Amino acid sequence: GENVEQHPSTLSVQEGDSAVIKCTYSDSASNYFPWYKQELGKRPQLIIDIRSNVGEKKDQRIAVTLNKTAKHFSLHITETQPEDSAVYFCAARRNTGTASKLTFGTGTRLQVTL
Amino acid sequence: SAVISQKPSRDICQRGTSLTIQCQVDSQVTMMFWYRQQPGQSLTLIATANQGSEATYESGFVIDKFPISRPNLTFSTLTVSNMSPEDSSIYLCSVGTGAEAFFGQGTRLTVV
Repeated sequence: GENVEQHPSTLSVQEGDSAVIKCTYSDSASNYFPWYKQELGKRPQLIIDIRSNVGEKKDQRIAVTLNKTAKHFSLHITETQPEDSAVYFCAARRNTGTASKLTFGTGTRLQVTL
Repeated sequence: SAVISQKPSRDICQRGTSLTIQCQVDSQVTMMFWYRQQPGQSLTLIATANQGSEATYESGFVIDKFPISRPNLTFSTLTVSNMSPEDSSIYLCSVGTGAEAFFGQGTRLTVV
């Protein structure tokens, strides 16, 4: 089955700096890679996703890059703000229609300090 | 998008007892997924619930411990049976619409 590794497990940045979280996956058939943000005590929320036919996707301060050959993808947050503090999970899956069986990474706790 | 209502939101249970968690979706979905999130950990898939067939369990999870019902396309239940303190976790249901997965608010279970 799919295995997703995520690094770092914790990340502390100063407000305004950039944050980068990296994930690798094992299943070469995976072609959908979402990122979830989970604030304390809340449900995971999708913040950005990328499909395998795209190398990069950007949404305001958030961007994701994908290298299918190397089987890794990264989340980039620029101009970080205190409200970015949360746990971030990457995930991967084979996109089979409405099925949404995701394999999650281990999570990164991001702390944005003033 | 999908709106998922999950209950209870939290419970404290005695060891040896069982708890049933309910998940209601505002639209019909083919598959519903149940995840476990142990304290400070990632999400681990327990099983996939299809309407009209038995749930498919992931390695390490068995039907006797986590029986699942899926009576229709908008509802599912997960039961945590014969609980022990090791079952203390957050349990989340999830559905997919298109590519995106949506999650219920989770059930925080504490077994004492």
